Amino acid sequence: ETGVTQSPTHLIKTRGQQVTLRCSSQSGHNTVSWYQQALGQGPQFIFQYYREEENGRGNFPPRFSGLQFPNYSSELNVNALELDDSALYLCASSLQGGGTNNEQFFGPGTRLTVL
Amino acid sequence: AQSVTQLGSHVSVSEGALVLLRCNYSSSVPPYLFWYVQYPNQGLQLLLKYTTGATLVKGINGFEAEFKKSETSFHLTKPSAHMSDAAEYFCAVSRDTGFQKLVFGTGTRLLVSP
Repeated sequence: ETGVTQSPTHLIKTRGQQVTLRCSSQSGHNTVSWYQQALGQGPQFIFQYYREEENGRGNFPPRFSGLQFPNYSSELNVNALELDDSALYLCASSLQGGGTNNEQFFGPGTRLTVL
Repeated sequence: AQSVTQLGSHVSVSEGALVLLRCNYSSSVPPYLFWYVQYPNQGLQLLLKYTTGATLVKGINGFEAEFKKSETSFHLTKPSAHMSDAAEYFCAVSRDTGFQKLVFGTGTRLLVSP
């Protein structure tokens, strides 16, 4: 069983640029959630995708967008990067409909630095 | 809206001592509560969770937590700290397990000295 993987591990961008982060969900999972973890803070929920549709969104502007593909992998896209977007971006996969056992499994994250 | 408060950004203990990490929650509906651990340069790993039923929850690595509705608390404990327990710990609340949007606290860094 393969766990949640994310790419790239690290990324450096400049203000105004666009970035795409990728996540491969754990085998058998149909749901992907994205979180932003700023330095010294807890993760904050960005949005969740279930069966290729957005299934809930946190307090993030529209320049944060996502996709989920038929194989349940996912992308997080951020446009017009700002300095405050510098953070660790975490992806978590889970199985909707798994009852109280639908634990979210987290990937190692992508560290984004915006200069 | 749900929220979580973790008291103490840093907690220091000696190896073999009791570990107590505090978490208080706010929720307008019966909460689902979680503790996660994060080691340096890694993602989050679930330690334990409370959904329904028994209020004392046992997790991995000898950790346990007790859900106290009257105190709106879900403190994490371990009887005897080990050097390998040094990490960042996050308490989180979810409205329901279906939606699974997790609201995290700001975290507590556990330092373990020999």
